[in-house]
Amino acid sequence: SYVLTQPPSVSVAPGQTARITCGGNNIGSKSVHWYRQKPGQAPVLVVYDDSDRPSGIPERFSGSNSGNTATLTINRVEAGDEADYSCQVWDSSSDHPVVFGGGTKLTVL
Amino acid sequence: QLQLQESGPGLVKPSETLSLTCTVSGVSISSTTYYWGWIRQPPGKGLEWIGSIYYSGSTHYNPSLKSRVTISIDTSKNQFSLILSSVTAADTAVYYCARGYCSSSSCLIFDYWGQGTLVTVSS
Repeated sequence: SYVLTQPPSVSVAPGQTARITCGGNNIGSKSVHWYRQKPGQAPVLVVYDDSDRPSGIPERFSGSNSGNTATLTINRVEAGDEADYSCQVWDSSSDHPVVFGGGTKLTVL
Repeated sequence: QLQLQESGPGLVKPSETLSLTCTVSGVSISSTTYYWGWIRQPPGKGLEWIGSIYYSGSTHYNPSLKSRVTISIDTSKNQFSLILSSVTAADTAVYYCARGYCSSSSCLIFDYWGQGTLVTVSS
């Protein structure tokens, strides 16, 4: 089945830009979705279809996807952004159509 | 307001069957727009998709769990359920139910999640 690879951790100072990557074979040909999960809470969709934001998600959150890497970018990082972020794809041609990355812990220094 | 709520035993013995129900409120589970899914997360680990069901009863399962998983839907109760048989300690996880939808380029985008329920497999 398709494999998504994320770095275990990313650290950034408040006010700076955080970039969280999600690697996969030719991931640029797929739509990537991103979830934020705070401790003890359910995941929340923050970006879908590579770069679209659900209602209520700040414009500071954006996404891109090309080649073998998708990226979630968080501008002007705040302490409240500290969480685990997971990417997900839908692989319509696979018998395992829903795949999640292993998650990245974002630490705000 | 849309809500999903998982319910079921928090402790299951090894080799027995795990059974959970997700009660949906605020939207009809019979809607042709949405799919309904189960996702789990072992302690300290990432998310794992278990499977999904459409209002018609059509299902898709994670191949690694397919031999042990059944997902069903009860439109009269606005609920869908998960059965996982022959559980082991490796099935210990927080189990989430979620609503999925399709965009113009993808499906099974999970936009609403239940709060999750911890199921521990132990004797």
